[in-house]
Amino acid sequence: AQSVTQLDSQVPVFEEAPVELRCNYSSSVSVYLFWYVQYPNQGLQLLLKYLSGSTLVKGINGFEAEFNKSQTSFHLRKPSVHISDTAEYFCAVSEKSSYKLIFGSGTRLLVRP
Amino acid sequence: GAGVSQTPSNKVTEKGKYVELRCDPISGHTALYWYRQSLGQGPEFLIYFQGTGAADDSGLPNDRFFAVRPEGSVSTLKIQRTERGDSAVYLCASSKTSGTQETQYFGPGTRLLVL
Repeated sequence: AQSVTQLDSQVPVFEEAPVELRCNYSSSVSVYLFWYVQYPNQGLQLLLKYLSGSTLVKGINGFEAEFNKSQTSFHLRKPSVHISDTAEYFCAVSEKSSYKLIFGSGTRLLVRP
Repeated sequence: GAGVSQTPSNKVTEKGKYVELRCDPISGHTALYWYRQSLGQGPEFLIYFQGTGAADDSGLPNDRFFAVRPEGSVSTLKIQRTERGDSAVYLCASSKTSGTQETQYFGPGTRLLVL
């Protein structure tokens, strides 16, 4: 069975600073990896996903993530955050043959002016 | 077109009552999913439909929970004899086809509070 660990429940950062949100997963089979963002009172929105190929994945809103198979990680990064990036970020994993998304518990990114 | 919509957005009920939560997927999407998000947690899979049939209901917590999708479009999640522990946000998602290589598009959720 797969599982996802997001160790940081909250990450405070100043506006225009870089940020990294950590995600580690466990799985005995090949997986797809995802990052979703949830703004207050809105649904989950896909930021980016890794299916295959290049391990560096670029997503919307200037975010990117790097798949590291040896470390079973898929950390999310942004070089310069904005106030509007304040939201909850969820990492998710799925077996390649599956349809279920297994989510981590989320990281709340709090961008301060 | 429109995204996934869910009604009601909020539902308050009393312990022991019956509730129905509705999901309208994106038009043309054949796959539909229900997830449950408890406070401070990530969404947890409940059930998956491919067309009209429930292809996997392994995530439903017990037999008080049931979901239907009679015409392969709108889905209803039904909860009988609600308990306080059922309080959560219930999320619906849809995708063009099954398989997680297809992006799952989520609705805004129904926030259920059982008093």
